[in-house]
Amino acid sequence: AQSVTQLDSHVSVSEGTPVLLRCNYSSSYSPSLFWYVQHPNKGLQLLLKYTSAATLVKGINGFEAEFKKSETSFHLTKPSAHMSDAAEYFCVVSPLAQFYFGTGTSLTVIP
Amino acid sequence: EAGVAQSPRYKIIEKRQSVAFWCNPISGHATLYWYQQILGQGPKLLIQFQNNGVVDDSQLPKDRFSAERLKGVDSTLKIQPAKLEDSAVYLCASSSRDVRGNTEAFFGQGTRLTVV
Repeated sequence: AQSVTQLDSHVSVSEGTPVLLRCNYSSSYSPSLFWYVQHPNKGLQLLLKYTSAATLVKGINGFEAEFKKSETSFHLTKPSAHMSDAAEYFCVVSPLAQFYFGTGTSLTVIP
Repeated sequence: EAGVAQSPRYKIIEKRQSVAFWCNPISGHATLYWYQQILGQGPKLLIQFQNNGVVDDSQLPKDRFSAERLKGVDSTLKIQPAKLEDSAVYLCASSSRDVRGNTEAFFGQGTRLTVV
């Protein structure tokens, strides 16, 4: 069985401070892992993906995530938050060409 | 490359009416997905097609929802009759495998359905 747990439903950070969005997964297979971002009234945009290559994955807009198999985690980080980062973030596990979403983390950036 | 196209973008209907959504995937993508995203939740897979065959429809409420992909390209999702709890954004996605066998899903803008 596959599942994704996003540990925080809401995260607030001040502009210029680090961002950490946490994700744990379970999968019967060696999955691919993704982070997507969804801005209000916009479609889902891929931030980054892990596909069994390097465990530290760099994505767009300064985001990166580290795959830790022993902890079954795939946390998303960014060194310095920008106002434009305010959005909903989804962690996704993908075994065998299916995509399972977490419940999402809403990121608020305080000026 | 053109993205996943969906229409309409918005739809408001009364309960017990029927509604249909259309999706045109990225050219060459064999796999097509329909997801339902209820406000405040993550997208939930409704149905997955591989070409014109159904791979997984275990989460599709088959008493009221139907989907088809007759020619293995574009797809239609229908709800008949609609209920209030069907109010959601319906997302279409398509995917293909890269040379390493990895799959990435590309999502459309979605159709926001409001049932009143």
